[in-house]
Amino acid sequence: SQQGEEDPQALSIQEGENATMNCSYKTSINNLQWYRQNSGRGLVHLILIRSNEREKHSGRLRVTLDTSKKSSSLLITASRAADTASYFCATSTTSGTYKYIFGTGTRLKVLA
Amino acid sequence: GAGVSQSPSNKVTEKGKDVELRCDPISGHTALYWYRQSLGQGLEFLIYFQGNSAPDKSGLPSDRFSAERTGGSVSTLTIQRTQQEDSAVYLCASSLAGYSSYNEQFFGPGTRLTVL
Repeated sequence: SQQGEEDPQALSIQEGENATMNCSYKTSINNLQWYRQNSGRGLVHLILIRSNEREKHSGRLRVTLDTSKKSSSLLITASRAADTASYFCATSTTSGTYKYIFGTGTRLKVLA
Repeated sequence: GAGVSQSPSNKVTEKGKDVELRCDPISGHTALYWYRQSLGQGLEFLIYFQGNSAPDKSGLPSDRFSAERTGGSVSTLTIQRTQQEDSAVYLCASSLAGYSSYNEQFFGPGTRLTVL
């Protein structure tokens, strides 16, 4: 089964609003990354947060990590139409392998 | 600089035929990953290569799937006796040093495989 599950599955907001999406996972992790995917093809890395970090910022992005709840959130502030994409979390576990397990994704639509 | 490239971009094949998908990672990246993404779904891990270490094949769905990485660079994913359920986008990614697990993955554009 998937390590990560994003919530909501789909989100539609107006340009300028903030978008929040969540990721839950099941086992202990080394780090968690967020990726964006446009048009169902290649993914672009957005931000990485390590298991000993609680919050990170990058431009309009804010990521939080709560290891006690095994969850992370991605906040996009002042959204733009260009932010329309699918967003995935990916976790690297502590099981000794360095593969990443991706969640099912949140489809974000920003309306102009 | 050049990113991760994949070929072909699209492949249509008949059920039962074999297909080969190619991935050229970013030069100097020692880690290479293959994923499969069905329509509207998340990414399914298939296989991971790190340098000269034995690959992590734990995600390969059946023995019809195999992959190799020659010279620590180019990788080929082979699907034998394709089935309709193999239809998906196959994504390749590379990263600088997979063993640290703190490196971002750079993804190729994918190969869209359609099995008729």
